[in-house]
Amino acid sequence: DTEVTQTPKHLVMGMTNKKSLKCEQHMGHRAMYWYKQKAKKPPELMFVYSYEKLSINESVPSRFSPECPNSSLLNLHLHALQPEDSALYLCASSQDRGSFYEQYFGPGTRLTVT
Amino acid sequence: GDSVTQMEGPVTLSEEAFLTINCTYTATGYPSLFWYVQYPGEGLQLLLKATKADDKGSNKGFEATYRKETTSFHLEKGSVQVSDSAVYFCALSEVDSGGGADGLTFGKGTHLIIQP
Repeated sequence: DTEVTQTPKHLVMGMTNKKSLKCEQHMGHRAMYWYKQKAKKPPELMFVYSYEKLSINESVPSRFSPECPNSSLLNLHLHALQPEDSALYLCASSQDRGSFYEQYFGPGTRLTVT
Repeated sequence: GDSVTQMEGPVTLSEEAFLTINCTYTATGYPSLFWYVQYPGEGLQLLLKATKADDKGSNKGFEATYRKETTSFHLEKGSVQVSDSAVYFCALSEVDSGGGADGLTFGKGTHLIIQP
């Protein structure tokens, strides 16, 4: 099973709301990632977790707050977002952080900020 | 820094035509190379990968060979189908100074349209 699940599939939120995106994998992978993808653009890396610890934060604004409660779960907490944050948010996982490990992506959460 | 360059398209072909999507990369070290495919409204699916020079990745009739001398990883398929219409991303992953990978660096994506 190479499935990464993400919920919700779609999310509409106002600029004053607080919401969370959830990602889950049961492949025993020890590295998990958040990417942001704008329309007709490639995904851009936001955060990397390795063994449940934050390894990389690609200068993401503090209104995005990641959390890794356990090895199977990754959350992205959203607060006071801007309309330009509307995008497809993709979660991925890999066996470990080595460069030769392929990443498996979830279907994404399409976020609209109004 | 690392970068990936690929033709953006759209690339329009007739069914059963031969496909080539060019991909070249710039990296400081020895990266692993990947092709991902994204269908409309979906996440990315791994198509194939190669982790060392002269490795050939293959899957579902698609192939790509890791060419270190030309820093390339071109995607090919002998006979495309309408169902191959999607966006294709070439990507690399390289080990950082801490020994882990920094996540994937993607090309801009190639939109492929196959007409019946």
